[in-house]
Amino acid sequence: QKEVEQDPGPLSVPEGAIVSLNCTYSNSAFQYFMWYRQYSRKGPELLMYTYSSGNKEDGRFTAQVDKSSKYISLFIRDSQPSDSATYLCAMSNTGGFKTIFGAGTRLFVKA
Amino acid sequence: GAVVSQHPSWVICKSGTSVKIECRSLDFQATTMFWYRQFPKQSLMLMATSNEGSKATYEQGVEKDKFLINHASLTLSTLTVTSAHPEDSSFYICSARGGTRDGGSGPQHFGDGTRLSIL
Repeated sequence: QKEVEQDPGPLSVPEGAIVSLNCTYSNSAFQYFMWYRQYSRKGPELLMYTYSSGNKEDGRFTAQVDKSSKYISLFIRDSQPSDSATYLCAMSNTGGFKTIFGAGTRLFVKA
Repeated sequence: GAVVSQHPSWVICKSGTSVKIECRSLDFQATTMFWYRQFPKQSLMLMATSNEGSKATYEQGVEKDKFLINHASLTLSTLTVTSAHPEDSSFYICSARGGTRDGGSGPQHFGDGTRLSIL
């Protein structure tokens, strides 16, 4: 079993839809949770960085962490064609010495 | 936000040559830098982790004599692909991580990657 599971998609939605991206994990020691966005032929860009459980909002993006279920989510409101990219979840333990990445979910937002 | 610059963005060279890729953290001190390899439509594959002034720690299966990593300062790490061959063609991405106010490690910030094509 992988430490982090992420559905690779692809996920296709119409413009304006609410997108939900998810990851599950098995290591209860993870304390820091991240979401990255990667456009084709570019490096990943950090979108959200959260510690422990709870929600964090930044513009159209909301990250949720449920440590009891070992489940994290990224919601994108009012999705735009420019949101079309691969989204990677990542997590690390206290101290952040080892970061584990999900496989990435490819998202397509159709105009 | 934290900026990581990676250079060159694209390089094409002949088989047998060596290629050096630079990774710089522009506005923070990177205590740790990472080098990844990514194949088309696949996720990141960690190659090695380096701390400033120390030897890099390579992941299993990565040839350390093939992929030379130097992390001479808190803002610069280099990856040299020695005697490159067509099978080394790939997308190489570096990332850098600084510290946090509470003494922990922050998230990784990535460069824009280098497309390496070996003819």
